[in-house]
Amino acid sequence: KAGVTQTPRYLIKTRGQQVTLSCSPISGHRSVSWYQQTPGQGLQFLFEYFSETQRNKGNFPGRFSGRQFSNSRSEMNVSTLELGDSALYLCASNKGQSTEAFFGQGTRLTVV
Amino acid sequence: DAKTTQPNSMESNEEEPVHLPCNHSTISGTDYIHWYRQLPSQGPEYVIHGLTSNVNNRMASLAIAEDRKSSTLILHRATLRDAAVYYCILRDPPLISNFGNEKLTFGTGTRLTIIP
Repeated sequence: KAGVTQTPRYLIKTRGQQVTLSCSPISGHRSVSWYQQTPGQGLQFLFEYFSETQRNKGNFPGRFSGRQFSNSRSEMNVSTLELGDSALYLCASNKGQSTEAFFGQGTRLTVV
Repeated sequence: DAKTTQPNSMESNEEEPVHLPCNHSTISGTDYIHWYRQLPSQGPEYVIHGLTSNVNNRMASLAIAEDRKSSTLILHRATLRDAAVYYCILRDPPLISNFGNEKLTFGTGTRLTIIP
């Protein structure tokens, strides 16, 4: 069974630009969560989507947004990029009900 | 979210058992104890979870203290491939009605180094 797929794997953007990252969950998984990982802050929860609805949100500014489609695929968007947004962005999928989460390999975003 | 405390780093010799401790003194009666690990350049991966009884799977064992205020992840025979950051996380119980509650609160974890 295919794992969680994140695209692209690497991205370089300029300050002020916006970026969209994509996550395809494991087939049958309806919950998708996003995390930001930086050396200074570690792994931090961004938001969670279930059945196309945002169910939970972390403590990030409104520049960070996301959505989920009817096929459970999810995208996250960061507008007006700042240097501090450089990070590894990880997506996790699971069936729901506080079950085991499966993570993708992440998208490494560098803002210059 | 209930907090966990882990040592920042540990070292172990290859082919030796490894005991990774986690303190969670404020754990609630229904919190499950989950362990994830993150290998270099990978996303985190699930290792094991438990509530009260000790648990075993193909990857590891989880020993839970009787008062549930601490737990230990046991790798029975460490290999170089086990070098990773190990995270101990408390989670709500798996309930059919528990949708939209998949948030994982990661601490700083324990960086495990395996010495050949």
